[in-house]
Amino acid sequence: AQTVTQSQPEMSVQEAETVTLSCTYDTSESDYYLFWYKQPPSRQMILVIRQEAYKQQNATENRFSVNFQKAAKSFSLKISDSQLGDAAMYFCAYRLTGAGSYQLTFGKGTKLSVIP
Amino acid sequence: GAGVSQSPRYKVAKRGQDVALRCDPISGHVSLFWYQQALGQGPEFLTYFQNEAQLDKSGLPSDRFFAERPEGSVSTLKIQRTQQEDSAVYLCASSLPGGGDNEQFFGPGTRLTVL
Repeated sequence: AQTVTQSQPEMSVQEAETVTLSCTYDTSESDYYLFWYKQPPSRQMILVIRQEAYKQQNATENRFSVNFQKAAKSFSLKISDSQLGDAAMYFCAYRLTGAGSYQLTFGKGTKLSVIP
Repeated sequence: GAGVSQSPRYKVAKRGQDVALRCDPISGHVSLFWYQQALGQGPEFLTYFQNEAQLDKSGLPSDRFFAERPEGSVSTLKIQRTQQEDSAVYLCASSLPGGGDNEQFFGPGTRLTVL
């Protein structure tokens, strides 16, 4: 069974600074997807960034980027130039590829606070 | 409405009551998922539909939980004889058909409190 571990229950960052959220996972598969989701107090899960395991290049979406280390099974999220609106719960998630692969497996989340 | 909607947003039930939670997926999304998110935890998979077919219900915690999607659009998650441990946020997500490349779009969830 696949597991996702987020070892930082809470993190804080000063506005405009950079923060990195950690995620490790366990799987015996070679091809899969990894995701970071943001969940603000409104509870709506929003996809932040996605990484396909067969791609060596780290994904980037504007101020958000990942450091994907496949051998180490590590998938960290870096948020640059942090903004007040970045404050939320962040969840790392895993999903297999291929037909019939659909359910997401989530970590327990990291609560990010942004200090003005 | 372009997003996934869920109703009610909040539900309070007395222990032993039955509840029904509704999910309206994005139009055209044939795949629909239910997740349960306990307080302070990440969402956990409950069940998956492709159109009206329930292809996986391995995450349903007990036979008190039942989900349906009779016409391949709106889905209802029913919990019978609610227990306190059922208190959680229930999230619905939908996606286009196909494999793991399709993004799951989430609704705002229903927060269920069982007294």
